[in-house]
Amino acid sequence: DAGVTQSPTHLIKTRGQQVTLRCSPKSGHDTVSWYQQALGQGPQFIFQYYEEEERQRGNFPDRFSGHQFPNYSSELNVNALLLGDSALYLCASSFKGTGMGETQYFGPGTRLLVL
Amino acid sequence: QKEVEQNSGPLSVPEGAIASLNCTYSDRGSQSFFWYRQYSGKSPELIMSIYSNGDKEDGRFTAQLNKASQYVSLLIRDSQPSDSATYLCAVNVGGSQGNLIFGKGTKLSVKP
Repeated sequence: DAGVTQSPTHLIKTRGQQVTLRCSPKSGHDTVSWYQQALGQGPQFIFQYYEEEERQRGNFPDRFSGHQFPNYSSELNVNALLLGDSALYLCASSFKGTGMGETQYFGPGTRLLVL
Repeated sequence: QKEVEQNSGPLSVPEGAIASLNCTYSDRGSQSFFWYRQYSGKSPELIMSIYSNGDKEDGRFTAQLNKASQYVSLLIRDSQPSDSATYLCAVNVGGSQGNLIFGKGTKLSVKP
């Protein structure tokens, strides 16, 4: 049973560039959430995708956008990169059918460094 | 502003002792609570979920929930050096469609 996968594992970009991060959810899961984790902090919620639509969004600017595909995989796009965007980007997958707050399982993350 | 608070630590315990990790949350409507373990440089790994008041045990781990006090805790019995990690408390806000609000984590160090 494949877990959550993310690519790439590491990425170095310069200010102003754009980046796309990818995530494949755990088998049987239909919901993907994205989080940003700065050093020494807990993960911060960016947004959640379900049925190919953005369902919830955290306090992140429009430079952060995403997409979910019919196979439930997802992309996170960040435009006009700032130095402060350097962080570990985490994808978490879950199944929305349980009725309770669904349990989210995290992928290995993509570490982004903006120079 | 919905918040989750944890002592940042570090919390240091000797091998074989009980480690007690605490967490408080601000949203009284929260219904789902999670503990994740995160090793340095790695992603969070789910340890426990708890939804009802009381205790929930899984091996050496016990999660405790008190919704009236808005308090969640994690006990680790017979702590091992391999338990040394940052423990993240997470609260699901907004019901079944909600996102997770995380505390900053408590760094645990288990000394041999």
